[in-house]
Amino acid sequence: DAGVIQSPRHEVTEMGQEVTLRCKPISGHNSLFWYRQTMMRGLELLIYFNNNVPIDDSGMPEDRFSAKMPNASFSTLKIQPSEPRDSAVYFCASSFTSGRRQETQYFGPGTRLLVL
Amino acid sequence: AQSVAQPEDQVNVAEGNPLTVKCTYSVSGNPYLFWYVQYPNRGLQFLLKYITGDNLVKGSYGFEAEFNKSQTSFHLKKPSALVSDSALYFCAVRDMDSSYKLIFGSGTRLLVRP
Repeated sequence: DAGVIQSPRHEVTEMGQEVTLRCKPISGHNSLFWYRQTMMRGLELLIYFNNNVPIDDSGMPEDRFSAKMPNASFSTLKIQPSEPRDSAVYFCASSFTSGRRQETQYFGPGTRLLVL
Repeated sequence: AQSVAQPEDQVNVAEGNPLTVKCTYSVSGNPYLFWYVQYPNRGLQFLLKYITGDNLVKGSYGFEAEFNKSQTSFHLKKPSALVSDSALYFCAVRDMDSSYKLIFGSGTRLLVRP
C-alpha cells in the first residue's frame, strides 16, 4: 500500500489567500484525522472523520478553517483567508475503526505551509 | 486530566550503546500506549503499541518498549543505537473519553553520535 498521501508537500502563500490541503487515506481505512504541528503547540488534532462524517471538529481553530470528506478516499482541509499564524505542518492520518475499537493511526508525510 | 509526559527534550547516545527514551502517562483505566518516530521533513511513523498482554512490546527497527503499570511508564528502548535512529520520538496515549483521540507527548529528540 502507498500509505497516506498528502498534497502538496510544501505550500507558500500570501496572507489572505485560500489554501487547500489534500489527503488520500489508506484504502480500507474508515477514519481520517487532520493534525497540525507547530513548535509552540506540538501536535494538535483539528478534526476527525469516521465513515466520511465529521465526528469531532472541536480542534478546528476558527471559521477560517473547514474540512470535507466527500468520499472514502479523499479529504480536504481549507484555510480561507490564510494568516501568518497558520504556518505549520499539517498531517493527515487514517485508521480502521469498528465500533469502539480503533486500530493504529498511520500518518501521511505532511504539508509544510508557510503564510507570508 | 489525561496526559503524557516526555521529560527529556533531547537524548544523546553514542552509536552502539543502548538507548532509552522516557515516557510517563496519566489516564484513568487501562491505557493504550503508542510510540511514533518522526524523521526530518517526514510524517510520523508508527513504531509500536501496547494494548494488553506482555509488558514488553517489540516494534519496528529493533525498538521495544516496556509497559510498567506501577510506575505509569512506557519507556522506549533499543539495545544498540544506530546513527540512523536520530530523529524525533513521540509517545502517545489514547484518550479514554473517546475511542479515537490520541494525546501526544511533546517529543524527545534522539541524537546518536558516531
